[in-house]
Amino acid sequence: DTGVSQNPRHKITKRGQNVTFRCDPISEHNRLYWYRQTLGQGPEFLTYFQNEAQLEKSRLLSDRFSAERPKGSFSTLEIQRTEQGDSAMYLCASSSNLQGGVFTDTQYFGPGTRLTVL
Amino acid sequence: SQKIEQNSEALNIQEGKTATLTCNYTNYSPAYLQWYRQDPGRGPVFLLLIRENEKEKRKERLKVTFDTTLKQSLFHITASQPADSATYLCAPRNTGGFKTIFGAGTRLFVKA
Repeated sequence: DTGVSQNPRHKITKRGQNVTFRCDPISEHNRLYWYRQTLGQGPEFLTYFQNEAQLEKSRLLSDRFSAERPKGSFSTLEIQRTEQGDSAMYLCASSSNLQGGVFTDTQYFGPGTRLTVL
Repeated sequence: SQKIEQNSEALNIQEGKTATLTCNYTNYSPAYLQWYRQDPGRGPVFLLLIRENEKEKRKERLKVTFDTTLKQSLFHITASQPADSATYLCAPRNTGGFKTIFGAGTRLFVKA
């Protein structure tokens, strides 16, 4: 178990460009989450996958954002036509339905990808 | 709408003292509540989970209480150390649904 990994760790882009981030969850975890975090705020929910199915997406998320988890393992988050307001830390987390036989949703976070849009 | 309030101002305490952080929530009936620690530039790390039928949970120097009547959780760090300096996030969670909402966090500074 190597934990949740995210790539790249940092991304600087110009306004209007597209960016894609990757998340590799803990291998036995079937749930995967994407969050966005800005300075002084807690992580803000973006979307959730159970295996390969995207089951929930924040209503705050514009249609410039799309996420996939094609084989129920790694996931990608793409932002099209980036805007300066997209600058933030993008966090990925994974969890398992049952931990120790009890339902819980303890999430294990990756180190995040810091996006700066110039 | 669901709302989570944590101490917005940073908490400064002396090493060896007990730090107490507050999490209040509204429009929630959480089945459980989690506390996470976050260091600057890193992802949150899970610390403790307490269920609605539990009043108190302990883990080493950490203690969490959960009062569903007051809609409040308190997070205590006893014998605090400078290494405990971080932001602490609370996350109440309803059963069902997939969305976890985090509070904005409380920044804790422990001075040597």
